[in-house]
Amino acid sequence: KAGVTQTPRYLIKTRGQQVTLSCSPISGHRSVSWYQQTPGQGLQFLFEYFSETQRNKGNFPGRFSGRQFSNSRSEMNVSTLELGDSALYLCASSASGAGEETQYFGPGTRLLVL
Amino acid sequence: SQQGEEDPQALSIQEGENATMNCSYKTSINNLQWYRQNSGRGLVHLILIRSNEREKHSGRLRVTLDTSKKSSSLLITASRAADTASYFCATVNMFSGGYNKLIFGAGTRLAVHP
Repeated sequence: KAGVTQTPRYLIKTRGQQVTLSCSPISGHRSVSWYQQTPGQGLQFLFEYFSETQRNKGNFPGRFSGRQFSNSRSEMNVSTLELGDSALYLCASSASGAGEETQYFGPGTRLLVL
Repeated sequence: SQQGEEDPQALSIQEGENATMNCSYKTSINNLQWYRQNSGRGLVHLILIRSNEREKHSGRLRVTLDTSKKSSSLLITASRAADTASYFCATVNMFSGGYNKLIFGAGTRLAVHP
């Protein structure tokens, strides 16, 4: 099976713009989670989607949003970008989202906000 | 917010030596997982240990869990240069609806020198 794919891999934006990142999970996986990784805050949970429903959300402002489509692909959107949004954004997929199974991570999208 | 601390923050050893990393966490958990990350890329799942388990092995990896002390350790035996990476522990707390929500530690940077 193909692994988790994320597009684009690199992105440069300016403050105030918005950005959409995409994640394609492993075929058959229904749960997709998003994480932000920064040198200062480390790895932080953004949200998780399961069968097109947001099941969990981390402590991020409303500028961060996401959605999941019927084919389990997921997108996350960040509006009104700030310099502090520069980070590696990782998505992970798992089969049933039961919490006791392996999560498979994609290579990440590195976002730089200027 | 991160779950807890990992120590050491950085570890430098020679090939063939053992590497031990420790992780502490703050809340009740269902399981604890260890991940590896090479140079800011995606995370690779290494091992999962459930809250009712005390020790688990996988190849050269040995993980222990002490729920009374809210701590875990990862031992890599006979290390290789290819083990050079950052290692993260992550906890899952399904009691609070955590499901696939991973709460990560700060990570340990391991450098294995030939």
